[in-house]
Amino acid sequence: GAVVSQHPSWVICKSGTSVKIECRSLDFQATTMFWYRQFPKQSLMLMATSNEGSKATYEQGVEKDKFLINHASLTLSTLTVTSAHPEDSSFYICSARDGGNEYEQYFGPGTRLTVT
Amino acid sequence: GIQVEQSPPDLILQEGANSTLRCNFSDSVNNLQWFHQNPWGQLINLFYIPSGTKQNGRLSATTVATERYSLLYISSSQTTDSGVYFCAVSNYKLSFGAGTTVTVRA
Repeated sequence: GAVVSQHPSWVICKSGTSVKIECRSLDFQATTMFWYRQFPKQSLMLMATSNEGSKATYEQGVEKDKFLINHASLTLSTLTVTSAHPEDSSFYICSARDGGNEYEQYFGPGTRLTVT
Repeated sequence: GIQVEQSPPDLILQEGANSTLRCNFSDSVNNLQWFHQNPWGQLINLFYIPSGTKQNGRLSATTVATERYSLLYISSSQTTDSGVYFCAVSNYKLSFGAGTTVTVRA
């Protein structure tokens, strides 16, 4: 149980285009999902917290207009990187809380984004 | 935010050896999790352990919440144990440590 999926697992896009990443909780309902970014050989950095049916809360320094987050249902959150640039290339990981345990988080497999 | 320190930063083991990874945190927390990040980047949940002791096969963990630290024990290490081990704590949003990179040599 408590499986989180992400799609796509990797994506290459051209500078200036937008990319959408999906995060789904497959076997539980997730009222809260989180989006992280990880650079090579570094730890995970929280970007935003996504609550179903409400606006996402972004961490300090994260551009809201560049990283659009939508949590439209209890099993799906999306991250759209708008007007992507090479510096947006990174590993993006989502996580979700299992409603049965309000604190434990389960992570998706991640999406590797390369902007050329 | 809550500060999380992991030690050691790197660990090289011979297959079959035992090891201990440490996680110190700066404030009381409701959640403490240990993860193993595999070579493909997937974070594998090892333990949800805000307090007490748990065991799962060759791995075990202990959290002493009053003293704000947690330990992850790896016994009889195998090459498949290689990877980065993260400790993360929260009262709502997870704060991650810098990780311990474990290399197990055959």
